[in-house]
Amino acid sequence: GQNIDQPTEMTATEGAIVQINCTYQTSGFNGLFWYQQHAGEAPTFLSYNVLDGLEEKGRFSSFLSRSKGYSYLLLKELQMKDSASYLCAVGTGGFKTIFGAGTRLFVKA
Amino acid sequence: DVKVTQSSRYLVKRTGEKVFLECVQDMDHENMFWYRQDPGLGLRLIYFSYDVKMKEKGDIPEGYSVSREKKERFSLILESASTNQTSMYLCASISYSGRGVNEKLFFGSGTQLSVL
Repeated sequence: GQNIDQPTEMTATEGAIVQINCTYQTSGFNGLFWYQQHAGEAPTFLSYNVLDGLEEKGRFSSFLSRSKGYSYLLLKELQMKDSASYLCAVGTGGFKTIFGAGTRLFVKA
Repeated sequence: DVKVTQSSRYLVKRTGEKVFLECVQDMDHENMFWYRQDPGLGLRLIYFSYDVKMKEKGDIPEGYSVSREKKERFSLILESASTNQTSMYLCASISYSGRGVNEKLFFGSGTQLSVL
């Protein structure tokens, strides 16, 4: 079967660093995505990894290990506006993308 | 910026009603998708379309149908709404890069459908 696991909720403090983990088992792999979704809004694209290693984009970084079926999203210098759900998703080919249930991140002052 | 527009933000319907959810994108994307999002389950693919008049079932197509008469418009139809179809419905579109890799999805703001 196809499965993407990520923690349900996390809490972190403003200014800190938080790492959101994602493990996946899918029948195909054409890349791993992270999306951010604020409450009541549409998901928006954050990052994409198709090769192993770390991709850095400002305060956000994403890591991928294809052999381990593992990714993480790293958020640095947390801000209150980073409170949102973070969705891990795998492109399985043929235009299909499978999503995890999402991790709700609460940033406290 | 790509814009994906869903016609209704909130919708309340009665059991047995036929429901139409409309989605329009303005970036000439070939591929369009309908997902539903439920707490604890994430986004699940209902149907997608890779061209006008072409459609493919996703993971949970039962109770739904779709229509793509024009490239920019993709409609989701609930033939006879039921209470278990109460959910957030998200439309998305994607362009085909031809590189054989998945591209990022552009989402609409969603329609929260309540079936009573």
